[in-house]
Amino acid sequence: DAKTTQPNSMESNEEEPVHLPCNHSTISGTDYIHWYRQLPSQGPEYVIHGLTSNVNNRMASLAIAEDRKSSTLILHRATLRDAAVYYCILRDTQSTSYDKVIFGPGTSLSVIP
Amino acid sequence: DAMVIQNPRYQVTQFGKPVTLSCSQTLNHNVMYWYQQKSSQAPKLLFHYYDKDFNNEADTPDNFQSRRPNTSFCFLDIRSPGLGDAAMYLCATSRRQGLNTEAFFGQGTRLTVV
Repeated sequence: DAKTTQPNSMESNEEEPVHLPCNHSTISGTDYIHWYRQLPSQGPEYVIHGLTSNVNNRMASLAIAEDRKSSTLILHRATLRDAAVYYCILRDTQSTSYDKVIFGPGTSLSVIP
Repeated sequence: DAMVIQNPRYQVTQFGKPVTLSCSQTLNHNVMYWYQQKSSQAPKLLFHYYDKDFNNEADTPDNFQSRRPNTSFCFLDIRSPGLGDAAMYLCATSRRQGLNTEAFFGQGTRLTVV
């Protein structure tokens, strides 16, 4: 399975944009890039996913590099409620194990008031 | 409204006494997952079902079993809990195919072994 690497932790000031990077240099052509986050004492929640094009939704934006070897989750205005662990996950649509959602260590985001 | 429901939220069991955790979903998803999450670690996949097809991760201990009697319900059985099995147990669901394959997670059951 293709792997992802993320910084262990990041800090952001409240109401400023946050760019959370993810490297996936061995990504295959059929891998979707998914992001989840886990707030303290809660189950993970889906944030966004994409294949090749940049994606926007009400929670965040996903910027995917042209070669797809990296991606960036963008929170446009960080709030204190965005303090969480953010996970970047690859899901291969062609694999028989596509059913799996495998978590790496993730990035712990702190938001400073 | 909660779409993936785990009961109970907190469970205390005795060392060696079998315990069952339950998960139900209202999404009619064909894939269901069980994860174990220990303090300050990422969730670790134990097994998952695609419909009734059971898929065990290679490093999941034999002490952990699962049942999925129908689409809506899934159970995690720990046959002889040890102190090292104390953790948060997370259930999740997803569709397998199509555009909207994001996973939905329950709030988890925190298991304490005494």
